[in-house]
Amino acid sequence: DAGVIQSPRHEVTEMGQEVTLRCKPISGHDYLFWYRQTMMRGLELLIYFNNNVPIDDSGMPEDRFSAKMPNASFSTLKIQPSEPRDSAVYFCASSPDGGTQYFGPGTRLTVL
Amino acid sequence: EDQVTQSPEALRLQEGESSSLNCSYTVSGLRGLFWYRQDPGKGPEFLFTLYSAGEEKEKERLKATLTKKESFLHITAPKPEDSATYLCAVRSHSGGYQKVTFGIGRKLQVIP
Repeated sequence: DAGVIQSPRHEVTEMGQEVTLRCKPISGHDYLFWYRQTMMRGLELLIYFNNNVPIDDSGMPEDRFSAKMPNASFSTLKIQPSEPRDSAVYFCASSPDGGTQYFGPGTRLTVL
Repeated sequence: EDQVTQSPEALRLQEGESSSLNCSYTVSGLRGLFWYRQDPGKGPEFLFTLYSAGEEKEKERLKATLTKKESFLHITAPKPEDSATYLCAVRSHSGGYQKVTFGIGRKLQVIP
């Protein structure tokens, strides 16, 4: 298995632009998580899905952030419009049971 | 609100010098405590899951233990390749759904 796949690995954009991060979870895993990691705040859970349904989005910072999971093998995290304070590493993780999580390599986002 | 605190802030060891990392937690309805290892530029990698006080898990030079309030990650005779950031996370069940809360992570450096 290739593990969790994320794209792009790096994204540099200008303030106000739309950013879309993509994730392919491990096949057969029913849970998918989106996290943001910064030096100051560590790893923060943004949203998680169970069987493609969003369960808890209380960690999504504001309406500029949205996430979708149209099928079991694909999810997106969108930021529109992006701001410099959104600069961070964004991780996607999947899990067979909501416990042990398997993380992707992350997307490093820089908003200028 | 679930809380996870990791200490010490950073740990610098000579090769072969055993020590421990601590993870203290406050959670309602613990559904598991997890340890992850994170190398620079990569996503966290799963190490252990502990579910109940008194439980211990071992893997090579690492041993994780759990009490009702904290967990320890013991590193015995560490090698330079054990250098990484170690994260602790708790899974709880409240309000009808599960939550996962990560600690900020603590950096271990093992000097040859």
